[in-house]
Order: sequence, then C-alpha cells, then structure tokens
Amino acid sequence: AQSVAQPEDQVNVAEGNPLTVKCTYSVSGNPYLFWYVQYPNRGLQFLLKYITGDNLVKGSYGFEAEFNKSQTSFHLKKPSALVSDSALYFCAVRDGGSYIPTFGRGTSLIVHP
Amino acid sequence: GAGVSQSPSNKVTEKGKDVELRCDPISGHTALYWYRQSLGQGLEFLIYFQGNSAPDKSGLPSDRFSAERTGGSVSTLTIQRTQQEDSAVYLCASSLARGPEKLFFGSGTQLSVL
Repeated sequence: AQSVAQPEDQVNVAEGNPLTVKCTYSVSGNPYLFWYVQYPNRGLQFLLKYITGDNLVKGSYGFEAEFNKSQTSFHLKKPSALVSDSALYFCAVRDGGSYIPTFGRGTSLIVHP
Repeated sequence: GAGVSQSPSNKVTEKGKDVELRCDPISGHTALYWYRQSLGQGLEFLIYFQGNSAPDKSGLPSDRFSAERTGGSVSTLTIQRTQQEDSAVYLCASSLARGPEKLFFGSGTQLSVL
C-alpha cells in the first residue's frame, strides 16, 4: 500500500522569504515522488520528481525538494518566495511496483506582498 | 503542441441524470488516468488505462461509474443516475509509458449535480 500526507492545509509566507511545503509518504518498496502545482482554474502542472540518485532535486520555477529516506519525507522548498507562487501544491507518491500515483490532500501556499 | 483536452469544462445536471465526460490525451501517450478532486479531499484515483491492457478500475466509487478508452486514445467517463455527492472536478491525465513519468493533466470538468 502507498500513502502520502501533507500535514498543512495552508502555508503563509512573506514575499522574499524562504518557503517549505511538507510531505511525508509511506510505501512498501522504493518510492517515486512528485510535486505538482495547481493555479486557480487550471489543471495540475508537474514541478519535479525524485526517482533515484541525488537526494536534492531541482525543478521548475526555482523550486527544489529534498528526499529524506530515514524520515520518509519529500519537502518542497524555495529560497525566496514570490507572490506568483501562491497556488495549491500536491505531493504524490508511487511505489515502484505500482503504476498509479497517490496524491496528498494538497497545501494552499499564500505568499503575502 | 496540444495538451490534454477535457470537455465539457463545466456540466450542470439534475440528480438522477446520466453524464459523459470526455478526455483527449496527448498524442502518443499510452497511459491515461481519471482522478476526482473534491474540495478539501485532494485527488481521488478513479481508473487507469495502459495501452490495450485491461483497465485498473479499483478506484471507481460505485457501479454507477464506468469508463472506456477507444482506440487507445480518447476516453469517456460515464456517471449514471448522478447523485449530489458526485459533484466535483473530474481530472484526466496522460503519460508516456508505464515508467515513473510525470503526468500531464487537463483542466478538468467541473460537475455540479443539483
């Protein structure tokens, strides 16, 4: 079985400050991990993924995520937030033996000017 | 290039009516997924198609829900005898293959059951 948790419904950060959106996961095998972003009235867009290799993954729009196997976490980060980063962020996990990603409930990121 | 296309973008129907939602995936993508997004509930997996293989229907919430994929391309999700709890955004996604590829999502169909 595979599952993913996003413990925060909402994250508030001031523009220019660093941001972190948390994600923890549970899989029986090796995880494939993803972050997607959903802007208002739009479909989800891929940000980045971890398959194997370097624990720090860099993605679109300056975002990065760190895979931590011991803590089963894959937190999304950005050094300096922009107001335009305000959106709904989804973490997803796939067990290596599954073809179907399981998504978290989503975290609403609000960046204040 | 064209992305994943879903139609209609909005659908309002009366309780008890049947509805059909359409998804046109990216050309060449063999994998197609349907998810449902309800407020505060995240994305709920419904059904997965891969090439000509039998679909994985494990996420369909009841036998009122069905889906087909014709010619390995366009997919239709049908909900029979709609109920108010079926109101949600229905998202379709496609990807290249079975591997850990990213999903490309359509903009969704907002279904409202009155």
